Amino acid sequence: DAGVTQSPTHLIKTRGQQVTLRCSPISGHKSVSWYQQVLGQGPQFIFQYYEKEERGRGNFPDRFSARQFPNYSSELNVNALLLGDSALYLCASSFGTGGNGYTFGSGTRLTVV
Amino acid sequence: QKEVEQNSGPLSVPEGAIASLNCTYSDRGSQSFFWYRQYSGKSPELIMFIYSNGDKEDGRFTAQLNKASQYVSLLIRDSQPSDSATYLCAVLTSGTYKYIFGTGTRLKVLA
Repeated sequence: DAGVTQSPTHLIKTRGQQVTLRCSPISGHKSVSWYQQVLGQGPQFIFQYYEKEERGRGNFPDRFSARQFPNYSSELNVNALLLGDSALYLCASSFGTGGNGYTFGSGTRLTVV
Repeated sequence: QKEVEQNSGPLSVPEGAIASLNCTYSDRGSQSFFWYRQYSGKSPELIMFIYSNGDKEDGRFTAQLNKASQYVSLLIRDSQPSDSATYLCAVLTSGTYKYIFGTGTRLKVLA
């Protein structure tokens, strides 16, 4: 079975641009969460979606938005990119709301120049 | 005070020894606790989770939870060089769906 798949794996953007990151959860998983991980730090929670509804939002500016589609895949959008948005963006999925742990994708490495 | 605290390490142990990784958390209402392993340049992978006070064993790994002391630990028995990685403690916060991660402890198992 395929795990959590994320695309693209790497990308480079210029300050002020917009970016869309994509995630496909494990088949049967209904919950998708997004995390940002800066080098040397633990992942920071951005969003959680369960059954296509937003169930949680972390302390990120409104430039960050996300959605979950009927097939449970998800997109994370970041507008007006800043240098500080450079990080590894991780998508994680679970069948329920994460009580038994999430499975993470391999991540998207975003570099803002 | 950080919500989830871990010693960043590195923690160096010889091959075959027991590695002990510790984590404290601030939200007394937290219910679920997780240990993830992250190899350099890779994404976190779940090792185990624990809900109840006491010990939970899975192979060479034992998670220990003490809610009164707000303390979670992970013991790795018979440590192998392949266990060298960063170990992340995560707490599922009460009333929310988000994990709060610590900064991770880097473990080095010396051959």
